[in-house]
Amino acid sequence: AQSVTQLGSHVSVSEGALVLLRCNYSSSVPPYLFWYVQYPNQGLQLLLKYTSAATLVKGINGFEAEFKKSETSFHLTKPSAHMSDAAEYFCAVSDRKGGSQGNLIFGKGTKLSVKP
Amino acid sequence: DSGVTQTPKHLITATGQRVTLRCSPRSGDLSVYWYQQSLDQGLQFLIQYYNGEERAKGNILERFSAQQFPDLHSELNLSSLELGDSALYFCASSVVRSAGGTDTQYFGPGTRLTVL
Repeated sequence: AQSVTQLGSHVSVSEGALVLLRCNYSSSVPPYLFWYVQYPNQGLQLLLKYTSAATLVKGINGFEAEFKKSETSFHLTKPSAHMSDAAEYFCAVSDRKGGSQGNLIFGKGTKLSVKP
Repeated sequence: DSGVTQTPKHLITATGQRVTLRCSPRSGDLSVYWYQQSLDQGLQFLIQYYNGEERAKGNILERFSAQQFPDLHSELNLSSLELGDSALYFCASSVVRSAGGTDTQYFGPGTRLTVL
């Protein structure tokens, strides 16, 4: 069965600093991995997804994530944090059965704070 | 705006009552997913429908049920409500191509249910 672990429920960075949000996965099949962002009182918005093509995936708002099979990781990074990046970030793996995409299994989320 | 709509935005009700949450998927999407987001359980998959038929079930209580109608909108019915059912309920939709596809799930803004 697939699962996701996000290390750190809260991360605080200064504006302009590197953002690094950690995600490790467990999957018995080649995983499809996702990062979603949730702004206060809003739904989830897809940042990026990995679907077994390029291991470095670029997403919206300057975010990117690198799939590392040897480390079973899919960490999210952004070179320079902006105040508008303050939100909660969720890593998810697709619960694939029989090869087709299934529902998403989410990590507990990481709340990102950006200090001026 | 993801194109997924959910009504109502907020719902306040009492224990023992029954409520219905409604979701309209993005135009062209055949699959609808329901998720529950609570402080203690995080984001959990409840149930998936594809073109009117139930496709997958997650941690959905027997007091909860869902259906997808011919026009593809979906309803989640919650009955005999308990305090612990207070949560954000999200609907997501995707196209769902053939097996092996990597369709993105687009999330609605959610319905916040408060059980008093």
